[in-house]
Amino acid sequence: AQSVTQPDIHITVSEGASLELRCNYSYGATPYLFWYVQSPGQGLQLLLKYFSGDTLVQGIKGFEAEFKRSQSSFNLRKPSVHWSDAAEYFCAVGSSGGSYIPTFGRGTSLIVHP
Amino acid sequence: EAGVAQSPRYKIIEKRQSVAFWCNPISGHATLYWYQQILGQGPKLLIQFQNNGVVDDSQLPKDRFSAERLKGVDSTLKIQPAKLEDSAVYLCASSLDLVGELFFGEGSRLTVL
Repeated sequence: AQSVTQPDIHITVSEGASLELRCNYSYGATPYLFWYVQSPGQGLQLLLKYFSGDTLVQGIKGFEAEFKRSQSSFNLRKPSVHWSDAAEYFCAVGSSGGSYIPTFGRGTSLIVHP
Repeated sequence: EAGVAQSPRYKIIEKRQSVAFWCNPISGHATLYWYQQILGQGPKLLIQFQNNGVVDDSQLPKDRFSAERLKGVDSTLKIQPAKLEDSAVYLCASSLDLVGELFFGEGSRLTVL
């Protein structure tokens, strides 16, 4: 069965600093990988996804993620964080055959200090 | 384009009572999902529909939870009777098809006292 581990429950960064959120997955074949963001009182929004091809994926709001098969990781990065980036971030993995259903990690809460 | 609509946004009930949540997906989206998100956890899939048929309901507690999508558009998720551990946000999502991007609604927050 597929699973996702987000080892950091909370991450605190200063505005303007760089950000990296960690995600490790467990899946036997090539997975579909996703990062979602959930702002307070709002639904989840897709930031980016990896299905195949280039392992460095660009997303919305200046985010990017890199798929590393050897490390079973799909870490999310942003070079300069804005106060509006404060939110809950979820990594998800889906199967690569036929119908996929994202399985979510527990999430990482991002706190941004001014 | 209108997003996924859910109601009610908030509901407080006592244990053993029943509750129903409604979801209207994005127009034209064939696939609909219900997720349960308990505080401090990631969303967990309860049920997936393709049009009005169930694709996956393996994690739905069928002794108390039920869901339907009668005409392949709107969906209702019901809990009867509710337990304390059912306190959570119930998220509805839809996608064009089985492999399309999921679009989520704002969720329905349930508190069971």
